[in-house]
Amino acid sequence: QKEVEQNSGPLSVPEGAIASLNCTYSDRGSQSFFWYRQYSGKSPELIMSIYSNGDKEDGRFTAQLNKASQYVSLLIRDSQPSDSATYLCAVSRPPNPGRRALTFGSGTRLQVQP
Amino acid sequence: DTGVSQNPRHKITKRGQNVTFRCDPISEHNRLYWYRQTLGQGPEFLTYFQNEAQLEKSRLLSDRFSAERPKGSFSTLEIQRTEQGDSAMYLCASSLDGVSNYGYTFGSGTRLTVV
Repeated sequence: QKEVEQNSGPLSVPEGAIASLNCTYSDRGSQSFFWYRQYSGKSPELIMSIYSNGDKEDGRFTAQLNKASQYVSLLIRDSQPSDSATYLCAVSRPPNPGRRALTFGSGTRLQVQP
Repeated sequence: DTGVSQNPRHKITKRGQNVTFRCDPISEHNRLYWYRQTLGQGPEFLTYFQNEAQLEKSRLLSDRFSAERPKGSFSTLEIQRTEQGDSAMYLCASSLDGVSNYGYTFGSGTRLTVV
């Protein structure tokens, strides 16, 4: 079982719709959760972080965390063609021992159709 | 500060040759990470430094790979006797210790092609 699992997609949504991206993780000790956006040929860019159960909103983005279900999601409202990219979910555990590196999923490719 | 800088951006090398990549982190960041990413996959952790100390290495980091961070500033990643399977994007990232947000800032990466 992979530590962080994502559906590879592509997830295709029309412009203006809500895109919903999902991620599950296997380590119950995980405490910090991140969403990165990666355009083709570019490096990952941090867009959201979440640490507590519930929702966290930042502009058109909402991250949702459910630790009991070991599930993280990212909602993108009013999707734009410029949102077309691969979205990477990443998790971190407390230092154990000295383990501070993020573990990434394989990413979900999002296509927003004009 | 212009962010995390990686050089070179692209490297083509023949199998069996040695290559070295450089990463300059954001100046106040004391943590530095190396990841490798292949097409269609997420970044895979290679190694992590806190200041000049290399605190963790992945099983992916075979004995052909070595990383250094002298004086806790820039870092180098060397691959000896390159193999075609080493072809990937090598990403460097940095972050600041003591900040609860462990999210990193990535550099633009070095794309290695082994022919």
